Amino acid sequence: GDSVTQTEGLVTVTEGLPVKLNCTYQTTYLTIAFFWYVQYLNEAPQVLLKSSTDNKRTEHQGFHATLHKSSSSFHLQKSSAQLSDSALYYCALEGGSAKLIFGEGTKLTVSS
Amino acid sequence: DMKVTQMPRYLIKRMGENVLLECGQDMSHETMYWYRQDPGLGLQLIYISYDVDSNSEGDIPKGYRVSRKKREHFSLILDSAKTNQTSVYFCASSLSLFSNERLFFGHGTKLSVL
Repeated sequence: GDSVTQTEGLVTVTEGLPVKLNCTYQTTYLTIAFFWYVQYLNEAPQVLLKSSTDNKRTEHQGFHATLHKSSSSFHLQKSSAQLSDSALYYCALEGGSAKLIFGEGTKLTVSS
Repeated sequence: DMKVTQMPRYLIKRMGENVLLECGQDMSHETMYWYRQDPGLGLQLIYISYDVDSNSEGDIPKGYRVSRKKREHFSLILDSAKTNQTSVYFCASSLSLFSNERLFFGHGTKLSVL
């Protein structure tokens, strides 16, 4: 079946350093879209990035991600992490019938 | 102001009791969802509704049922709740089946089944 895998449950980084959150997927859908959602403490998840174009970089709020169908990946990166980036991040796949499949989530903690 | 509203925010129930979680949206969105969130498992889709009385099972529907009699309301029902249904439940909506530009999530209901 279709699945999204986020290998790190917890990522800790020092403020100002780069951060990368990994996301890989398996799908049988031909037309796919990918999302990164962010959930701040006691808040609802909200969309951070979306991409459906292979090898095209998508950016928002200092974060960027590139969909690589050749490696089935959609990693999230930021060049300089901020304290306010501490949150739970979800990678999600939408393949069809409006069903979003989420990964397990990665908790990012940025320390000073 | 576009929003998805969930009630209640916190709920404690005993095993075997019935549970009703309610969700409303003010955006006239066609598609609505119920997810549960558990540590290490992420967000798992319970049910999806494509419109009034047009519901489909998600990945983990067992033990749950839903009701959607008006486009703006989508309810999740647990008949005879079990302790393993303790979780945070999120409702979400999106504009249409063909427009998953983004999901709008509610703030969640934290359910504890004792």
